[in-house]
Parts: sequence; structure tokens; C-alpha cells
Amino acid sequence: KNQVEQSPQSLIILEGKNCTLQCNYTVSPFSNLRWYKQDTGRGPVSLTIMTFSENTKSNGRYTATLDADTKQSSLHITASQLSDSASYICVVRAGWAGNNRKLIWGLGTSLAVNP
Amino acid sequence: DVKVTQSSRYLVKRTGEKVFLECVQDMDHENMFWYRQDPGLGLRLIYFSYDVKMKEKGDIPEGYSVSREKKERFSLILESASTNQTSMYLCASSFFFATSTDTQYFGPGTRLTVL
Repeated sequence: KNQVEQSPQSLIILEGKNCTLQCNYTVSPFSNLRWYKQDTGRGPVSLTIMTFSENTKSNGRYTATLDADTKQSSLHITASQLSDSASYICVVRAGWAGNNRKLIWGLGTSLAVNP
Repeated sequence: DVKVTQSSRYLVKRTGEKVFLECVQDMDHENMFWYRQDPGLGLRLIYFSYDVKMKEKGDIPEGYSVSREKKERFSLILESASTNQTSMYLCASSFFFATSTDTQYFGPGTRLTVL
């Protein structure tokens, strides 16, 4: 069964600190992995998309890593800001071009950045 | 910037009512999606459309129907609303269905309460 699991479920950090969110997946065949940021009461916004051949991808203070062998990804947030408080969702696309392609959504990690 | 708008941010309806949720995108995207998001369950795909008048069932289509008469507009219809359809409804659109790295752009969501 295709699954995406995220940890921790929730996290509280102080402003200025770094943090790392984890995503483990069992999805076959793997196509790509995305991280979305969702502010409370808003729709998700894409942060990064990584394909099988990409190990690291950065978007400002956000850096995503992918280990396709262990089927793990992480999202590292550097020098956190209050505006980073949100839910971070890991999404894996299964399948290849055509009708078999499908997104498997994780439940998200809820991050609170306190002053 | 891609803009996806949804007709209402908050909606309260009574059991048995017919409910229309509308979504409009301004980027000429071929693909449009309807999701619902519930605590502990994450995002679940209800229906998607890859062209005008074309639609495909997602993971939880029961109790819902959709309509896409124009490329920019995708409507979700609850034929007879029930309390278990109380949820956050998210619309999304994307470009290039044929490539696996297409990013979905989400609207702000409609929080529907069925009494």
C-alpha cells in the first residue's frame, strides 16, 4: 500500500532556531516528492519538488533532501521566523506519465515558531 | 502569479440542501482538482478534470459530482449535503499533465459546515 508518513506530528521551536522535518514513504513506482507549506486556513503552497536523481534542493531558508534508497526525505528550515509557523506536508507522486499518476499526501507536521 | 479563487471562504448549509462550490483559475491550466481536508486524514482527492467536460473520480467521489463547462472554472456539487461532508474543501489547478513535475496551485479553501 502506498503510504507517506511524517514526523514529528508537531514541533515547537524558538525564533531563529533551525529544525528538520522528516518524511518516510513507501510508494511504488516513485516519480517525485514535494514539500508544501500550508498556513492555517489557507491552501497549500509548493516549496520544492524533487525527482529521483536529485539529492538536495533549496528554496531560500528551506532545504529539502531526498534519499531514494532509504525512501526518506527531510525538510530543513534555517534561522526560523514567526512566519514559518504552518503545517508542512510531504507529497509523493506515484507512477509515470498517464492515468496511473497519483499523489500520496502525508498528514503534515505542524510547526509553531515562538518569539 | 497564478491565482486560484474559490467562491466562498465559509459556508453553512442544512442537511439535504444542494450545495455548489465554485473554483476559478486564471492561468489557462488544463487540470483542475477538488480535495477535502479533514484533521487526521489529510488531503483526499474527490474529483479531477484534465479538460473541459472531462472528469475523473478521485479517491472519495461518493456524494459529490463536478462540472467543467469552461476551462477556467470547475464546480463541485453536493447533491444532498450531509453532516459528514462538513470539511475544508480545496480547489487546485496545474499545468502540463503529461509531465510528472507539474505543480498544483491551490485556492484559499472553503470551510463548509452542514447542520
